[in-house]
Amino acid sequence: DQQVKQNSPSLSVQEGRISILNCDYTNSMFDYFLWYKKYPAEGPTFLISISSIKDKNEDGRFTVFLNKSAKHLSLHIVPSQPGDSAVYFCAANSWGKLQFGAGTQVVVTP
Amino acid sequence: NAGVTQTPKFQVLKTGQSMTLQCAQDMNHEYMSWYRQDPGMGLRLIHYSVGAGITDQGEVPNGYNVSRSTTEDFPLRLLSAAPSQTSVYFCASSPTQNTEAFFGQGTRLTVV
Repeated sequence: DQQVKQNSPSLSVQEGRISILNCDYTNSMFDYFLWYKKYPAEGPTFLISISSIKDKNEDGRFTVFLNKSAKHLSLHIVPSQPGDSAVYFCAANSWGKLQFGAGTQVVVTP
Repeated sequence: NAGVTQTPKFQVLKTGQSMTLQCAQDMNHEYMSWYRQDPGMGLRLIHYSVGAGITDQGEVPNGYNVSRSTTEDFPLRLLSAAPSQTSVYFCASSPTQNTEAFFGQGTRLTVV
């Protein structure tokens, strides 16, 4: 039973615009959420995280929002750049065990 | 700064063969784990270790064994390869259970 879901398999966004990626989870025991970025033939690289006690975390162009009551988090990338084209995975942590969503392929167009 | 190193990068096995996927990290991380990634799915946890001598099962452990004799190394053994184990395998490490994990570049395994 998939406890972390990314319902949009792909997203196309124009360079300079905002990218919004969404993620839903079902397990209220998750206490730490992460976003990873993955290029083809490479391992995932950590992007940004948020603790369950916060509702927002910002790092440069990347902001993650957490809505615990809705069990929903989102990643905002602004402005989007061509190098942001990759697959983005949402992950939820429970005692060190990460559960991943299926990923969203982001394509940034000129 | 090597980080997490996985070998080999590619491997083709025949059904029934056994092999070991190697994983080493040089960051002195206590927590290490193995994931597999299949098309249309996220990464799924196979086995993990919270320190040398301690391992436990993840979400999809069947057909795989692990051991952790040192902090640096966490090999994954396929006992008798099956086509269902065709996948991309990622090893990861983190300083603790509740910090971000660092991933290796992956091993693409094909079982024919």
